[in-house]
Amino acid sequence: DADVTQTPRNRITKTGKRIMLECSQTKGHDRMYWYRQDPGLGLRLIYYSFDVKDINKGEISDGYSVSRQAQAKFSLSLESAIPNQTALYFCATSVKGTNQPQHFGDGTRLSIL
Amino acid sequence: AQSVAQPEDQVNVAEGNPLTVKCTYSVSGNPYLFWYVQYPNRGLQFLLKYITGDNLVKGSYGFEAEFNKSQTSFHLKKPSALVSDSALYFCAVRDNNNDMRFGAGTRLTVKP
Repeated sequence: DADVTQTPRNRITKTGKRIMLECSQTKGHDRMYWYRQDPGLGLRLIYYSFDVKDINKGEISDGYSVSRQAQAKFSLSLESAIPNQTALYFCATSVKGTNQPQHFGDGTRLSIL
Repeated sequence: AQSVAQPEDQVNVAEGNPLTVKCTYSVSGNPYLFWYVQYPNRGLQFLLKYITGDNLVKGSYGFEAEFNKSQTSFHLKKPSALVSDSALYFCAVRDNNNDMRFGAGTRLTVKP
């Protein structure tokens, strides 16, 4: 089983709909992250959480919200989806420390029509 | 704020030849540098990191990277490329504030 699981893997929806992407992990890591990947832009950080009570905005948080329901769960919501939010979304986890790598899920491909 | 540049969108090499994927960075403090690889329909996988110490870092799958402080570079290398190395490669940098920034990615194609 994957250590970092994202659901759904693919989603097609319409403009204006509310969308929730889920992430769960079995690695026991305190830190969790949400990124979006766009061709030619690499990964950009949306939100991150260092523990259940700590939520921080990333580089591109506008239009998104998150919830850290438990140490193992971190969900990303698009309250009213718009077409330019069409992208590949990744959840990642890490232990504490600037020298620690992040561990990624396999992504959610989101298309907004 | 820190930043990363991967100057090549695409790198093509023949199987068995050495490969280099370039990365330059900018940070205000000590750099923590990482390389990741992404295969189709998969998330990023950690390859190697530079924190301190030896400038040549060895990682997974025979990859290594050379840290050059004066040129602010952290190029990924492999002495002999395999077709299975074909993938998207990302360089990332983190400073003391913990915020990790990724480059735009370089697509490596290894031809038989």
